[in-house]
Amino acid sequence: EAQVTQNPRYLITVTGKKLTVTCSQNMNHEYMSWYRQDPGLGLRQIYYSMNVEVTDKGDVPEGYKVSRKEKRNFPLILESPSPNQTSLYFCASSYRQAGVEAFFGQGTRLTVV
Amino acid sequence: GENVEQHPSTLSVQEGDSAVIKCTYSDSASNYFPWYKQELGKRPQLIIDIRSNVGEKKDQRIAVTLNKTAKHFSLHITETQPEDSAVYFCAVSNRDDKIIFGKGTRLHILP
Repeated sequence: EAQVTQNPRYLITVTGKKLTVTCSQNMNHEYMSWYRQDPGLGLRQIYYSMNVEVTDKGDVPEGYKVSRKEKRNFPLILESPSPNQTSLYFCASSYRQAGVEAFFGQGTRLTVV
Repeated sequence: GENVEQHPSTLSVQEGDSAVIKCTYSDSASNYFPWYKQELGKRPQLIIDIRSNVGEKKDQRIAVTLNKTAKHFSLHITETQPEDSAVYFCAVSNRDDKIIFGKGTRLHILP
């Protein structure tokens, strides 16, 4: 089954404790991206990757890192999480950057206390 | 850069009536306009999309219309049903081939 898988689904952590949210897709898509969803603000892009070893900043990249060592995986790293990063995070993939359907993961609800 | 405005932010309609959600955009070079539906606790999923060379597209009870001159496009849902209750996002692919999402519309279908 074609899918985008994120882990974990829920995470509560403390300020400053490094964490990684994993994202994996099995559709051989070149393009992957991370979004955060906050009430009233819609989906805002954090980082995106057009292919292996190619990443770029989206609209809200501060406080986040990503890597794309393999085509299928695109982890999101919070080196020193802060409470303002409490949000719902979605990973998405598509076979190219735009003009086509984006497939979303199930979401990760992160709470930073 | 591209700016996408979506209205209304909340919409309540009686079951069986029609719902219309509208989005405006700023970049005249934008050429792809998808709509995503997000049910409570679920991921966004594509429900319909339209490209700039088409004025209207329909899929059963859902339709999208595009006015390139005025730079707006709309989602129309007819004969609404309880399962249509969700948050709907419009999106636009802009000149830089990025995709920009609207802030979403929460649709309530009233019994």
